[in-house]
Amino acid sequence: SQQGEEDPQALSIQEGENATMNCSYKTSINNLQWYRQNSGRGLVHLILIRSNEREKHSGRLRVTLDTSKKSSSLLITASRAADTASYFCATDPHLGNQGGKLIFGQGTELSVKP
Amino acid sequence: DTGVSQDPRHKITKRGQNVTFRCDPISEHNRLYWYRQTLGQGPEFLTYFQNEAQLEKSRLLSDRFSAERPKGSFSTLEIQRTEQGDSAMYLCASSLVGLRYNEQFFGPGTRLTVL
Repeated sequence: SQQGEEDPQALSIQEGENATMNCSYKTSINNLQWYRQNSGRGLVHLILIRSNEREKHSGRLRVTLDTSKKSSSLLITASRAADTASYFCATDPHLGNQGGKLIFGQGTELSVKP
Repeated sequence: DTGVSQDPRHKITKRGQNVTFRCDPISEHNRLYWYRQTLGQGPEFLTYFQNEAQLEKSRLLSDRFSAERPKGSFSTLEIQRTEQGDSAMYLCASSLVGLRYNEQFFGPGTRLTVL
């Protein structure tokens, strides 16, 4: 069964606006990762945040992690039409750096209108 | 292109037939994962290998499913006696243990339709 719950399930915004997606999980984690998937395609890794980190930035992406609440958020600033995709959080529940399977949430479908 | 590749990209089959998918990981990656994704859902883990050893299998992987990675390079996933419920996107990913905290690189997927 999947661990993550993502919120909202769908988000529609105008180009230039910011998009925020949230993810909650159930068990202890080693790290949490965000992936993007364009319709009918494979997943592309966006950013990874370790359990001892609280915030991380990569370009227009900002990820936060609150391990006490078992939740994470992904912020995309100044969105573009090309950001239209599904976004998934994935948790790595394994200790250390010997990770195995990732456990994915259900995803947020983002639509950015030009 | 040195990314993860999967073949075929699409497969349509009739119920009861056997199908086999292939995944070629990034060449230096020692771990290879199979996931299944149905419409509107996130990927669900099926199984993974480290080199040629199959380290974990999900309960989703019934006895009709078998995966191999005979030489620690490419992998195959076979589904025997396919059922309509097997229709899904089958995703393969690879990673290098000890590097970059288990960041997994995904292939484009094989979309299976069982009629």
